[in-house]
Amino acid sequence: GQQLNQSPQSMFIQEGEDVSMNCTSSSIFNTWLWYKQDPGEGPVLLIALYKAGELTSNGRLTAQFGITRKDSFLNISASIPSDVGIYFCAGNSNSGYALNFGKGTSLLVTP
Amino acid sequence: SAVISQKPSRDICQRGTSLTIQCQVDSQVTMMFWYRQQPGQSLTLIATANQGSEATYESGFVIDKFPISRPNLTFSTLTVSNMSPEDSSIYLCSVAARGREGGYTFGSGTRLTVV
Repeated sequence: GQQLNQSPQSMFIQEGEDVSMNCTSSSIFNTWLWYKQDPGEGPVLLIALYKAGELTSNGRLTAQFGITRKDSFLNISASIPSDVGIYFCAGNSNSGYALNFGKGTSLLVTP
Repeated sequence: SAVISQKPSRDICQRGTSLTIQCQVDSQVTMMFWYRQQPGQSLTLIATANQGSEATYESGFVIDKFPISRPNLTFSTLTVSNMSPEDSSIYLCSVAARGREGGYTFGSGTRLTVV
């Protein structure tokens, strides 16, 4: 599978700050997904994107499917301690087929 | 979205033995995916399992080491054979949800430690 370029690798922020992370691929994707993984758990879907330019929110989270279809970003506004975890971008070029994953962004939030 | 029950959640195994991981889905799905997540790493696809046919393995993974069964549209197993400490990882199954809103659902994972 294709490895996605996800950045930053880690972030250490204070509660209340906004966070932004992004992902790029070398090929065009039809699906971009953002997951959060807590220790000892499987990834949990945060936001799913299926159309170039699509901007979708889920509470304090906002994600966009890039116009070029080769990138996506995730923003978290007003971070809270429970936002701590590892965030993964994932995508593919064929719906229903296996996902390619980024290497993850580890987020730490201090009170 | 689909709900996946994966077990065992964790196990500690002796090298040279085998462990079979089970995933049960609450709805019928065409494809199930098995991933490995090594410590501190991202998810790597092991294979795609279709009902009624042999699984399709990714480069670096072979059927003799990771045999997969897919007897029906709601169930699959992954066996980690002849284990070594390098097999210590989290193993996850996943399915594509029906409809575009669901994304892909993951089981809670099996944390395997080989000693």
